[in-house]
Amino acid sequence: AQTVTQSQPEMSVQEAETVTLSCTYDTSESDYYLFWYKQPPSRQMILVIRQEAYKQQNATENRFSVNFQKAAKSFSLKISDSQLGDAAMYFCAYRSATGNQFYFGTGTSLTVIP
Amino acid sequence: EAGVTQSPTHLIKTRGQQATLRCSPISGHTSVYWYQQALGLGLQFLLWYDEGEERNRGNFPPRFSGRQFPNYSSELNVNALELEDSALYLCASSPFRPTDTQYFGPGTRLTVL
Repeated sequence: AQTVTQSQPEMSVQEAETVTLSCTYDTSESDYYLFWYKQPPSRQMILVIRQEAYKQQNATENRFSVNFQKAAKSFSLKISDSQLGDAAMYFCAYRSATGNQFYFGTGTSLTVIP
Repeated sequence: EAGVTQSPTHLIKTRGQQATLRCSPISGHTSVYWYQQALGLGLQFLLWYDEGEERNRGNFPPRFSGRQFPNYSSELNVNALELEDSALYLCASSPFRPTDTQYFGPGTRLTVL
């Protein structure tokens, strides 16, 4: 079974600074999808960004970007110009290209310091 | 377009009782997933339904069960409640296409006393 590991239970960042959240995964598949989800204190999980494994170009969504290293099975999230509203729990997730099940990491709690 | 909805928002039960949680997926989505998020823990996969059938289940005892209705809405039942069942239960839906992400509902907070 695929596993997703987030080794940073908690992170903090100064407002306007940049922070990187780490995620590694274990799979024997060559084609898959990776996601970062955000869960603010209001608890509704929302999609932040996604990456297709067959694409070499790293995905970017405004202030959010990923560093996808397929050989290293690493998928980190970079948040630039951090804002107070970025404070949340962030989950990394994996989905096979051939299956529907998602695998989630244990999450990283991000605090943004004013 | 309406998002994933869940009811009730909060549910308080006593040990040994049964709990029923409901989820309505986004229109057009055929897959429904259930997750348990206990305090301080990540998302633990519970169940996956698609086209009315249970496709997969996580490492949970049989007292966790559910079903999916013809309109693709879903119900999660937890029998013989235990204190450790207290958690946020999240429902998510997706189309049955591997390129698509999951869309989550706001969750049901179950408290077992």
